[in-house]
Amino acid sequence: AQSVTQLGSHVSVSEGALVLLRCNYSSSVPPYLFWYVQYPNQGLQLLLKYTSAATLVKGINGFEAEFKKSETSFHLTKPSAHMSDAAEYFCAVSGSSNTGKLIFGQGTTLQVKP
Amino acid sequence: ETGVTQSPTHLIKTRGQQVTLRCSSQSGHNTVSWYQQALGQGPQFIFQYYREEENGRGNFPPRFSGLQFPNYSSELNVNALELDDSALYLCASSLYSGLQYEQYFGPGTRLTVT
Repeated sequence: AQSVTQLGSHVSVSEGALVLLRCNYSSSVPPYLFWYVQYPNQGLQLLLKYTSAATLVKGINGFEAEFKKSETSFHLTKPSAHMSDAAEYFCAVSGSSNTGKLIFGQGTTLQVKP
Repeated sequence: ETGVTQSPTHLIKTRGQQVTLRCSSQSGHNTVSWYQQALGQGPQFIFQYYREEENGRGNFPPRFSGLQFPNYSSELNVNALELDDSALYLCASSLYSGLQYEQYFGPGTRLTVT
């Protein structure tokens, strides 16, 4: 069985500060891991994905995430927050099954203060 | 390249009624997945269609059903609507490469059941 836990339902940072959104996963098979962003009243946009290549994954909009197998973590970071980063962020896991079914965490709302 | 589109954007139904939601896949994608996102929650996998056949199903009752057409567009049908069916319904299309999926989400349909 697979699951994802996002630590912290709300994260607030100042503009220009480091963004750190935490994600821990559980998977009985080598996982594929994803971060998606959702802006109000919109669908999900893929930020980045880990597919067993490099453990440090760079995505769009300056975000990156590091896969740490020993910690079963895939935390999302951005060195300097921008006001436009305010949104809901979802971590998701997919096993190596043939469906590509995504299991999402509960989401973390990122607030960016001026 | 046209992205994933969904219709309608919003709709309101009464408990007990039936509803059909539609999704047009991204050009060239042969797989479509449907997710239900309740307010304040992460999306939950409903089912997936690959080349017009159901290819995996989440923990949803049979009154949730779907279709995929030869042009890879898709429908989600929900019978005997319940109040808890109120949610954002997301469609995601992807291309199965034999290795992994990368899912592209549409903007969603907001269903309200009264």
